[in-house]
Amino acid sequence: DTGVSQNPRHKITKRGQNVTFRCDPISEHNRLYWYRQTLGQGPEFLTYFQNEAQLEKSRLLSDRFSAERPKGSFSTLEIQRTEQGDSAMYLCASSFGADYGYTFGSGTRLTVV
Amino acid sequence: KQEVTQIPAALSVPEGENLVLNCSFTDSAIYNLQWFRQDPGKGLTSLLLIQSSQREQTSGRLNASLDKSSGRSTLYIAASQPGDSATYLCAVRISGSARQLTFGSGTQLTVLP
Repeated sequence: DTGVSQNPRHKITKRGQNVTFRCDPISEHNRLYWYRQTLGQGPEFLTYFQNEAQLEKSRLLSDRFSAERPKGSFSTLEIQRTEQGDSAMYLCASSFGADYGYTFGSGTRLTVV
Repeated sequence: KQEVTQIPAALSVPEGENLVLNCSFTDSAIYNLQWFRQDPGKGLTSLLLIQSSQREQTSGRLNASLDKSSGRSTLYIAASQPGDSATYLCAVRISGSARQLTFGSGTQLTVLP
C-alpha cells in the first residue's frame, strides 16, 4: 500500500463549473476525512466517513459541497457552481481508529478563475 | 471550542542548531496530539503522535512532549539540517470525538546552510 492517494493533484476551473476530487485511502483504514487548507492556515475539517457512512459534516460544507464514500472504499468530493472562495488545497486523510494517527494524501490544489 | 496556537509563526536558524517549536491548546480534554510536517504545495507528513496518557514521543532527531494540564506541546528538533525546512503543524483530537482534528496555523521553519 502506497498511502493515501488523491487525484487530480491540480485543478483549474472557471467560476460556476462543477469539480470532483477523488481520494483512495489506505485499504485497512475504515475512517476517511476531508479537510480544506487555505494559504498560511492550518487545515480545517470538512467531513468524516466511517466505512460508507458520513457521520459528521462541518458548517464549512455548504450545500454546494457533497461527499460520498460508496462501499466504504474510495471517496469523492464534489463542488457545484464553484466560487473563487473555493480556491484552496483539499486534503484527504484516513485512519484505522481513534488511537491511531491520521495519514494524509498529497492534496488537490483547486484554483477557481 | 478548541483553539490551537503555534508560536512563532516563522523561525529561521543556522544549520546545526537545536530548536523548539511550541503548540498550545485551550481545551485540555484531548484524546491525542499529532505533529505534522508540510513542504510547500504538498500534503501533510505525520511526524509524531502522542496519546493523552503519554508525556513524550521520540523519532530520530525529533522529540515531542505533551503537558495536558497546561495545554502545551513542544517539538524539539536536534541538530537541524536544511532539509528540515518546512512548515510544522500541530493538531489535537478532542476527547469524546473520534473524528476531527483541530490544527494550528503552523510554524514555518527555515534552516540556513
